[in-house]
Amino acid sequence: AQSVTQPDIHITVSEGASLELRCNYSYGATPYLFWYVQSPGQGLQLLLKYFSGDTLVQGIKGFEAEFKRSQSSFNLRKPSVHWSDAAEYFCAVGPRSNDYKLSFGAGTTVTVRA
Amino acid sequence: GAGVSQSPRYKVTKRGQDVTLRCDPISSHATLYWYQQALGQGPEFLTYFNYEAQPDKSGLPSDRFSAERPEGSISTLTIQRTEQRDSAMYRCASSPAGSYNEQFFGPGTRLTVL
Repeated sequence: AQSVTQPDIHITVSEGASLELRCNYSYGATPYLFWYVQSPGQGLQLLLKYFSGDTLVQGIKGFEAEFKRSQSSFNLRKPSVHWSDAAEYFCAVGPRSNDYKLSFGAGTTVTVRA
Repeated sequence: GAGVSQSPRYKVTKRGQDVTLRCDPISSHATLYWYQQALGQGPEFLTYFNYEAQPDKSGLPSDRFSAERPEGSISTLTIQRTEQRDSAMYRCASSPAGSYNEQFFGPGTRLTVL
């Protein structure tokens, strides 16, 4: 069965420092890969996605993620964090067939300190 | 509409009561999804619709849960004879046809069963 693991429950980072959030997946074949962000009181917002091609994917808000097939990983990065990046981040995978069933990790909460 | 909306935003009910949650997707979106998100977890797939058809309801936890989308737009999720374990955030998402899992999420309904 497919699974998504986000090993870090909570990360604290200083404003201006770099951020990396880890995501590992277990799947029969390379799935579609996504990162979503959830701010308090808001719905989940798509940051970026990987379908195929270049393994380094650029997203909104200055985020990027790198797909590494050999490690079954899709880690999210941002070079310089802003206070507004404090939120909960979810990695998700979806099958390449048409059944639309996303599987989410448990999420990583990011706290930004001044 | 401009985004996915859900109502009510908060619902408190007593064990044994029935509740109905509503989702209003982005108007042009053919596909609608329901997820359940327990505290500290990522969203878990419940069911989805393509227009009014419901091809997959495998994620519904029991026959107390049902969803409908009779005219292919607004959807409702009904939980009969609620139990305390049903307490969770219920999220709705929608996507255009053929968008390969790029889902746009609503703010969710927080259900508390006392």
